[in-house]
Amino acid sequence: AQSVTQLDSHVSVSEGTPVLLRCNYSSSYSPSLFWYVQHPNKGLQLLLKYTSAATLVKGINGFEAEFKKSETSFHLTKPSAHMSDAAEYFCVVFMDTGRRALTFGSGTRLQVQP
Amino acid sequence: DTEVTQTPKHLVMGMTNKKSLKCEQHMGHRAMYWYKQKAKKPPELMFVYSYEKLSINESVPSRFSPECPNSSLLNLHLHALQPEDSALYLCASSLERGKVYEQYFGPGTRLTVT
Repeated sequence: AQSVTQLDSHVSVSEGTPVLLRCNYSSSYSPSLFWYVQHPNKGLQLLLKYTSAATLVKGINGFEAEFKKSETSFHLTKPSAHMSDAAEYFCVVFMDTGRRALTFGSGTRLQVQP
Repeated sequence: DTEVTQTPKHLVMGMTNKKSLKCEQHMGHRAMYWYKQKAKKPPELMFVYSYEKLSINESVPSRFSPECPNSSLLNLHLHALQPEDSALYLCASSLERGKVYEQYFGPGTRLTVT
């Protein structure tokens, strides 16, 4: 079965410093992976997705993620954090067997300090 | 227009009430979803509709009754809810079910059961 594990429940950075949110996946073959962001009291917004094309995926708002098969990872990065980046981030895998639906990681809360 | 709208934004209901949540999209998407999200948790899939037919019911109690009157509209009828059903209810849509298409999320309805 495919699943994702977000390694940090909470990450705190200073404004202007790099952001790293870690996600490992479990899959017997190449999965389709997403990062979604949820600002307080809001719905979810897609940041980026990987579907077996380029391993370095660029998303919105300066975020990017690199698919590393050897490490089974799909970490989300941003060179310089902005206060508006403070939110909950979900790593998500598309289960392409069985019920063929999204499975969410447990989430990482990003806090940005001034 | 890449918007999913949900009404109402907030709902407070007693355990004997009957109420409905509404979700609408005009993107021509043929798959629509209901998720339940408890505080500090990822969304949990409840129901999936594909071409206006129920495709997935994740063993949701019968006090939740989904309805898809047409391809743009999704309702969730609520009856005899319990306090533990208090949560953020998110609606989403995608081009089709079962494929790696982006899901667009609405802002959610914050439900409180008293």
